[in-house]
This record gives sequence, C-alpha cells and structure tokens, in this order.
Amino acid sequence: AQSVTQLGSHVSVSEGALVLLRCNYSSSVPPYLFWYVQYPNQGLQLLLKYTSAATLVKGINGFEAEFKKSETSFHLTKPSAHMSDAAEYFCAVSLYGNNRLAFGKGNQVVVIP
Amino acid sequence: NAGVTQTPKFQVLKTGQSMTLQCAQDMNHNSMYWYRQDPGMGLRLIYYSASEGTTDKGEVPNGYNVSRLNKREFSLRLESAAPSQTSVYFCASSDYGGETEAFFGQGTRLTVV
Repeated sequence: AQSVTQLGSHVSVSEGALVLLRCNYSSSVPPYLFWYVQYPNQGLQLLLKYTSAATLVKGINGFEAEFKKSETSFHLTKPSAHMSDAAEYFCAVSLYGNNRLAFGKGNQVVVIP
Repeated sequence: NAGVTQTPKFQVLKTGQSMTLQCAQDMNHNSMYWYRQDPGMGLRLIYYSASEGTTDKGEVPNGYNVSRLNKREFSLRLESAAPSQTSVYFCASSDYGGETEAFFGQGTRLTVV
C-alpha cells in the first residue's frame, strides 16, 4: 500500500523567505503525487500534481514541486512566502488504477511578518 | 457550478444518537469518498465508492456505514455516535484513475457529547 510522510507539523517562515515543505512517499510502483492546500474552515484544493510527465511541476500561487524517484520525494517550494500562504498543506499519493488517495499528516504553515 | 456539496455544515450529537451526512457532486464523477480529519492525523479514508453500486472500506470504517444512492450522491451514516467520532468530515469525488485529482466539499464539523 502507498503511504506519505510529512515531517514537522508546524512550519514557521518569514514573509519573503523560502517555503520548503518535505514529502516522502512509499510505493512499490510509480505513484501519482499531489499537494493540496486547506485554508481555515474550508475544504482542500489542489495546488499541483505529478502524473509522470515533467518531474518539475508548477502549481497555483507560485508553488512548485520536484519529483525525485531516487529519493522517493516530492518536496513543495515557493521562493518567497506571502501572508496569504498561511494554511495547512497536505501531500497525497495514489496509484495507477487505484484512486484511493493516501494523505500525509499535513504541515501547518505560519507566515511571520 | 457547485462542485461537491455537503450537508449539514455543523452538527452536535449526543452519544448513542444516529445521523446521516449527505454529499452530492455535480461533476459526473465516478468515484466518491468520505474522509475524517483530526488534528495531527491528516485525512483518513473512511469509505469510498469507485463507481455507482460499489462501496469499499477505507482505513477507519468502524462505526460508519455508507450508501451510494446514485452517481451523484454518497451518504455516510453514524448508527450510534461516540465521542471518538468527533471530527471534521469531508466528502470528495474524482474521475476514476489514480492520476485524477479529488474535489472536496467544505466539510461537516461534528461534535459528539
């Protein structure tokens, strides 16, 4: 079964600094990988996804993630944090022909002015 | 364009009471899901329905039942609510296939006292 590990439940970043959220996956076959964002009292919305095309994936709001098979990683980055980036971020994995998403435990991002 | 609609948004139950959470999607998706979200636990799959007429257990099915009423609707029932079921519940839908993203409802915040 596939699984996802996100370390560090709370991440503090200064406004204008790099945002880096780490995601490592476990899968016996090539996975599909997703990052979702959840703003307070809302549902989840897709930031970006990897589906075996380009390994560097660009998403909404200036976020991007790079798939590294050798490291089984799909880390999320944004060069310059904005106050509006304060939210919870989830990494998720699914497999071909099996659309059961397995989520990591999430990273709560706090942006410090 | 409503997407995924959940009702109710908030609910307080007494231990032992029953209730049904309703979910409907208007995107003609084949697959639907119920997740629960608890602090520090991420999202955990309760049940899912890969297509109309089928349902399967997820990671945490105990204490819940589901019904895929038709292609649009997927309900979650708590027969005898327990305090451990206090959580935020999310319904989601997607087209079949691991590479497709899931679309989420706004959530139901359930408190069992």
